[in-house]
Amino acid sequence: GQQVMQIPQYQHVQEGEDFTTYCNSSTTLSNIQWYKQRPGGHPVFLIQLVKSGEVKKQKRLTFQFGEAKKNSSLHITATQTTDVGTYFCAGPSGSARQLTFGSGTQLTVLP
Amino acid sequence: DGGITQSPKYLFRKEGQNVTLSCEQNLNHDAMYWYRQDPGQGLRLIYYSQIVNDFQKGDIAEGYSVSREKKESFPLTVTSAQKNPTAFYLCASSVRLSNTEAFFGQGTRLTVV
Repeated sequence: GQQVMQIPQYQHVQEGEDFTTYCNSSTTLSNIQWYKQRPGGHPVFLIQLVKSGEVKKQKRLTFQFGEAKKNSSLHITATQTTDVGTYFCAGPSGSARQLTFGSGTQLTVLP
Repeated sequence: DGGITQSPKYLFRKEGQNVTLSCEQNLNHDAMYWYRQDPGQGLRLIYYSQIVNDFQKGDIAEGYSVSREKKESFPLTVTSAQKNPTAFYLCASSVRLSNTEAFFGQGTRLTVV
């Protein structure tokens, strides 16, 4: 079945540094979603990308969907302590296109 | 106030006992999911439901059971057959199964002793 892999698993950055997490799928995705989970919390939807090569921005966050629709990235510019958490990508998988999550990237921002 | 509610937030059970986790949504969503999260790990799909009276196994369904008798409710039973039940359980719902964002409940942290 489809697998959605994320790298890196962990990332520690100094406040003000940039951060990027990458998501790769073994199959073409019709769309990809990104979620953020704060420590002790639940995942919260950030964005959905649908088109090949699509780029979307939310303030300091930039999301990209690859041309082949098999990979995606999330880039955070000038990280802040409020960015701490685990970032997950997710895409439809299987015969019913159920939502399957990547393994996540846990971001720590050092003040 | 619309949303998805899981209860309880913390649950302790003795080994060998079945336990049922509640998940209720008033968002009028057709699709519902149950995920399991272990410390430092991602979300693994246990069961999902596209519509009332229908549900399908996810990647790690062994030792779990669900029902979908009402659109609003998707309870998860962790049976004694589940080898390592201690985990954080997350319920989610979405308008339909794919291509729409998922809304998560606060989660239930189950500890089996």
